[in-house]
Amino acid sequence: DIQMTQSPSSLSASVRDRVTITCRASQSISSHLNWYQQKPGKAPKLLIYDASSLHSGVPSRFSGSGSGTHFTLTISSLQPEDFATYYCQQSYSTPRSFGQGTKLEIK
Amino acid sequence: QVQLQESGPGLVKPSETLSLICSVSGGSISNDYWSWIRQPAGKGLEWIGRIYTSGSTNYNPSLKSRVTMSVDTSKNQFSLKLSSVTAADTAVYYCAREVLWLVQFVFDVWGQGTMVSVSS
Repeated sequence: DIQMTQSPSSLSASVRDRVTITCRASQSISSHLNWYQQKPGKAPKLLIYDASSLHSGVPSRFSGSGSGTHFTLTISSLQPEDFATYYCQQSYSTPRSFGQGTKLEIK
Repeated sequence: QVQLQESGPGLVKPSETLSLICSVSGGSISNDYWSWIRQPAGKGLEWIGRIYTSGSTNYNPSLKSRVTMSVDTSKNQFSLKLSSVTAADTAVYYCAREVLWLVQFVFDVWGQGTMVSVSS
């Protein structure tokens, strides 16, 4: 099974800050990596797929990069609605697996 | 636009079987993968497994011995059964559609989630 590890687990930042979240896979997953955003009490929403492709309707301040075992999600200028928990997920093989999440909080 | 809705008991007794249904509206259940994912309070997401409309399944090995998934295309529904539950199975349970976009699988549609507690 593929283990996904995110860092940091939590992050405090201010509006207009640039933030980067890292996700590492326990083995190479090529670009089979997706990112989701989850707000309290809501289901996750797809942000980025195939490591770097922006899902329809997602603001361009979100970007993803990486391949193999190392991936990043960057938010170029934080907006108030971006404070949420972010999860990476590998779709290279089953069982599907998620990172433990990164909670982005307002400083 | 496809929408998903989970339904089922919110309280299950220890050692009994948790049963949930996911109803698909706004589109056909055919030709996609349908997954169950759970999230204990304050914790991360755990993939339970998926079923294709043909009935073929993939389960998480950590739960495989207790999980059964089925699909009813005539009702546009799929279901989850988790047997011998314990308090550790208390979680919000989501159903989700997994689709293939070019060469990439993604969970593109999610239900709102249903809270299931295991307690006597």
